[in-house]
Amino acid sequence: AQSVTQLDSQVPVFEEAPVELRCNYSSSVSVYLFWYVQYPNQGLQLLLKYLSGSTLVKGINGFEAEFNKSQTSFHLRKPSVHISDTAEYFCASTNDYKLSFGAGTTVTVRA
Amino acid sequence: DAMVIQNPRYQVTQFGKPVTLSCSQTLNHNVMYWYQQKSSQAPKLLFHYYDKDFNNEADTPDNFQSRRPNTSFCFLDIRSPGLGDAAMYLCATSRARIGTGGSGANVLTFGAGSRLTVL
Repeated sequence: AQSVTQLDSQVPVFEEAPVELRCNYSSSVSVYLFWYVQYPNQGLQLLLKYLSGSTLVKGINGFEAEFNKSQTSFHLRKPSVHISDTAEYFCASTNDYKLSFGAGTTVTVRA
Repeated sequence: DAMVIQNPRYQVTQFGKPVTLSCSQTLNHNVMYWYQQKSSQAPKLLFHYYDKDFNNEADTPDNFQSRRPNTSFCFLDIRSPGLGDAAMYLCATSRARIGTGGSGANVLTFGAGSRLTVL
């Protein structure tokens, strides 16, 4: 069964610094991968998705992710973060009929 | 804008007192999902509807029920809430069933959530 593992539970970062959130996946079949962001007391918002095609995926708010089949990874990056990027980030994959999430990474951006 | 609306955003109930959370969508999506998200945890799928076809996850407690009277609305009923049911409940939709192909099937749109507190 397809699953994802987020390697960092918390990532503190200074404003305007780059950030990388790590996600590994496991599957022997076609892979659909996603990153969602959740702001406090809000629902989940799709940042970006990989369904097929180019391995470099660009999303909203300046985020991008790279699908790496050889390393079974789908890491999320942003070259320069803002205070407003403070949130919980979830990597997710589709497994049969449902979307399953990693444990989440809390990003705290400090001035 | 087409969207997924959840009501109420915050619900406080007493131990054992039934509660209903609602979800409406203007996307005309065929599939609707209910997720439970406890504090500092990942969302966990409770069940989903593909059109009128109800699909319960094997580990969803019997205390949780759902109704989908039409395409636009879906309800989550918690018959006898316990302290362990305090959580954020997230409704989501997708155009088609996940795995059937295409971005419309595999991309979920979420509502803002309903936070349940049990006293």
